[in-house]
Amino acid sequence: NAGVTQTPKFQVLKTGQSMTLQCAQDMNHNSMYWYRQDPGMGLRLIYYSASEGTTDKGEVPNGYNVSRLNKREFSLRLESAAPSQTSVYFCASSLWMGAYNEQFFGPGTRLTVL
Amino acid sequence: RKEVEQDPGPFNVPEGATVAFNCTYSNSASQSFFWYRQDCRKEPKLLMSVYSSGNEDGRFTAQLNRASQYISLLIRDSKLSDSATYLCVPSDTGRRALTFGSGTRLQVQP
Repeated sequence: NAGVTQTPKFQVLKTGQSMTLQCAQDMNHNSMYWYRQDPGMGLRLIYYSASEGTTDKGEVPNGYNVSRLNKREFSLRLESAAPSQTSVYFCASSLWMGAYNEQFFGPGTRLTVL
Repeated sequence: RKEVEQDPGPFNVPEGATVAFNCTYSNSASQSFFWYRQDCRKEPKLLMSVYSSGNEDGRFTAQLNRASQYISLLIRDSKLSDSATYLCVPSDTGRRALTFGSGTRLQVQP
């Protein structure tokens, strides 16, 4: 099992460009999450999907959109990238069952917006 | 009050030492707790889950004090490879989202 995979690993964008970050999990988890982590900071939740067909905003959703394509895949889109979106983006998944909510993370996408 | 509070460190300890980190949480509805470790610029990795009063896995022991709303992580016989940031993450049944703090940085020195 690959666990949680993310593509691409690195990306450099110019201000105003758009891109989609891809995430897939093969653990049959129902919930998936997108976080960003800035240097020296904790993880901040951007969006999450409790189950296929549903998405909800997290702490910092502005400037992002998400799609839960199917149970396995959850993508994050930046429509018009800004330098403030320079960060490391982590995708995670969990088999949410009440308090049993261990999340497993992908390796991250390192995004730089010039 | 922050949802999770941890001493950011760094904790600098020699190999073989025992080190303990404390974590306080504000949400009394938290039912379970997770300790993650995060290496520099890598993804967080689950170290241990705590559902009752504590858990032990090899050199790692977690103890939960619900009355005082804190959880600790004890690492015995520290290895160089234990150098990382340790994140305390509470979870309650009403919320899918977890709150990650900035964690405690541990540096084990030869």
